[in-house]
Amino acid sequence: GAGVSQTPSNKVTEKGKYVELRCDPISGHTALYWYRQSLGQGPEFLIYFQGTGAADDSGLPNDRFFAVRPEGSVSTLKIQRTERGDSAVYLCASSSMGGGTDTQYFGPGTRLTVL
Amino acid sequence: GDSVTQMEGPVTLSEEAFLTINCTYTATGYPSLFWYVQYPGEGLQLLLKATKADDKGSNKGFEATYRKETTSFHLEKGSVQVSDSAVYFCALTVSVSGFQKLVFGTGTRLLVSP
Repeated sequence: GAGVSQTPSNKVTEKGKYVELRCDPISGHTALYWYRQSLGQGPEFLIYFQGTGAADDSGLPNDRFFAVRPEGSVSTLKIQRTERGDSAVYLCASSSMGGGTDTQYFGPGTRLTVL
Repeated sequence: GDSVTQMEGPVTLSEEAFLTINCTYTATGYPSLFWYVQYPGEGLQLLLKATKADDKGSNKGFEATYRKETTSFHLEKGSVQVSDSAVYFCALTVSVSGFQKLVFGTGTRLLVSP
């Protein structure tokens, strides 16, 4: 079956520009997560959706980052006024319910490079 | 706060050697523990998990036992293959407002030569 997909796989942008990163979770999964993986580091939590609502956005680094999931399926991570420090791989994961011992399944990631 | 510490890599082994990658954790409560693997050019994949103390997770010849007394979850494999070359991440889940947030270690790169 189809796994988590993310587009684009690579995004190069200039400092100050706006970018959108898309995530298609596994069909039927209600929980969706965004993580950020900087070079040589493990992924770090950004935001969690249960259905359409952002249940926890405590990992978003600042107000330039925003994410939506309007219909409870596809999610978009939006970054305004990009900075060079935003360069990283952005990972999306989904799980069936979000609680208990649910397994999170990861997409291949979007590599963002801010010049 | 909750955290995971892994041994630094790279770990370089010859094919058929024994593998251990150490992982210790700090957590309040009773986390679930995971090993994820990232093969070159691919996304993170769940390798194995354990949800309570003394549980052993296993998959593809890899094993890890949840040791509450030593707060450890070391990854082992009896005989590695070249195809096991990848980056391995130890992780735990932290229960936050009813959902499970993954907290990862920094990863350990494994290089297996023929």
